[in-house]
Amino acid sequence: AQTVTQSQPEMSVQEAETVTLSCTYDTSESDYYLFWYKQPPSRQMILVIRQEAYKQQNATENRFSVNFQKAAKSFSLKISDSQLGDAAMYFCAYRSFLTGTASKLTFGTGTRLQVTL
Amino acid sequence: DSGVTQTPKHLITATGQRVTLRCSPRSGDLSVYWYQQSLDQGLQFLIQYYNGEERAKGNILERFSAQQFPDLHSELNLSSLELGDSALYFCASSGGGNEKLFFGSGTQLSVL
Repeated sequence: AQTVTQSQPEMSVQEAETVTLSCTYDTSESDYYLFWYKQPPSRQMILVIRQEAYKQQNATENRFSVNFQKAAKSFSLKISDSQLGDAAMYFCAYRSFLTGTASKLTFGTGTRLQVTL
Repeated sequence: DSGVTQTPKHLITATGQRVTLRCSPRSGDLSVYWYQQSLDQGLQFLIQYYNGEERAKGNILERFSAQQFPDLHSELNLSSLELGDSALYFCASSGGGNEKLFFGSGTQLSVL
């Protein structure tokens, strides 16, 4: 079974600065997807970014980028130019490459990000 | 707006009772997933349905059951409720391939 580990329960960053959230995972599969989800105080789960394991290029979405190290099974999220609205719980998640049916998300325990002025 | 609709948003009930949570997936999505989020267990996968059939089971208690109907909406039934069942229950949907999951806004269940 796959496991996802987020070793930083809480992080803090100043507005406009850069912060990196860590995530490691364990799997025996070679093809899979990795995700970062954001959960603000509204508790809605919002997809931030997705990475396909077969792609060597790191995914980027505006101020959000990842550092995907497949051999090390590491998947960190970098938030640049942090904004107050980035304050939230961030979850790293793994999804098998299985087509269609039985491919659930496995989540880490989350990192709570505080953004200060 | 993710396009996934969950009702009700909040539910308060007593121990021993039974409740039904409802989820309407995004238009065209065939897969529905149920997750439970609690402080001590984190985000736990409960069950997945694909086009009306159960496809994967996670940490779902025997007191809990789910189904997906022909119109693809899904219901999660929780019975003999205990205090520890208090949690935020999410529904998510995806298409038949490897698309990302879209989450509803959740149902907050409080068992008193």
